[in-house]
Amino acid sequence: ETGVTQTPRHLVMGMTNKKSLKCEQHLGHNAMYWYKQSAKKPLELMFVYNFKEQTENNSVPSRFSPECPNSSHLFLHLHTLQPEDSALYLCASSEAVLAGEQYFGPGTRLTVT
Amino acid sequence: GDSVTQMEGPVTLSEEAFLTINCTYTATGYPSLFWYVQYPGEGLQLLLKATKADDKGSNKGFEATYRKETTSFHLEKGSVQVSDSAVYFCALPPRATQGGSEKLVFGKGTKLTVNP
Repeated sequence: ETGVTQTPRHLVMGMTNKKSLKCEQHLGHNAMYWYKQSAKKPLELMFVYNFKEQTENNSVPSRFSPECPNSSHLFLHLHTLQPEDSALYLCASSEAVLAGEQYFGPGTRLTVT
Repeated sequence: GDSVTQMEGPVTLSEEAFLTINCTYTATGYPSLFWYVQYPGEGLQLLLKATKADDKGSNKGFEATYRKETTSFHLEKGSVQVSDSAVYFCALPPRATQGGSEKLVFGKGTKLTVNP
């Protein structure tokens, strides 16, 4: 595998379910990110991790819980989501947290029913 | 506030037409500038970049010139193809904006559709 991979690619979950999104980067980068992309809204940065430490949380509701066990893996744990949380969730990585060149995964299309 | 302002779409062109997507920015200093592209069903990928004033970034037939006088970084392609149909994002690097955080600042995106 090369680049940034995300699983699953598609996820349908009920509002009471608990699920997790997984991201893995094979680029040797030190920074990883979660973004939310909704229709007709700008790309929203959710979380930033630098060397496994969370350095930014952009006022994301607690029903989204990130986890970064090492610099190559990033998870987004989901619980008691709302229908408005339906979106494309993109993971990205970069060499350093202030780098403008970020490498994105293909995203997980999440639908909350 | 500090931001990236990008031409709103959607833009629809015929194959072989000339493309321009406008992008202007507000930032402190002279940051690097980026264009990202998102093809249908995929994540974003870096299309091109310019690191200093008057630099021209180019890739896949696309070009953009960093104009500090007009704080612009317009994307152009002389002859678009159906395969260029995608959403294009102009972006500033982290901390380039006054009081900015550790995040890329993206424009809202411009959807391009190229018809055969």
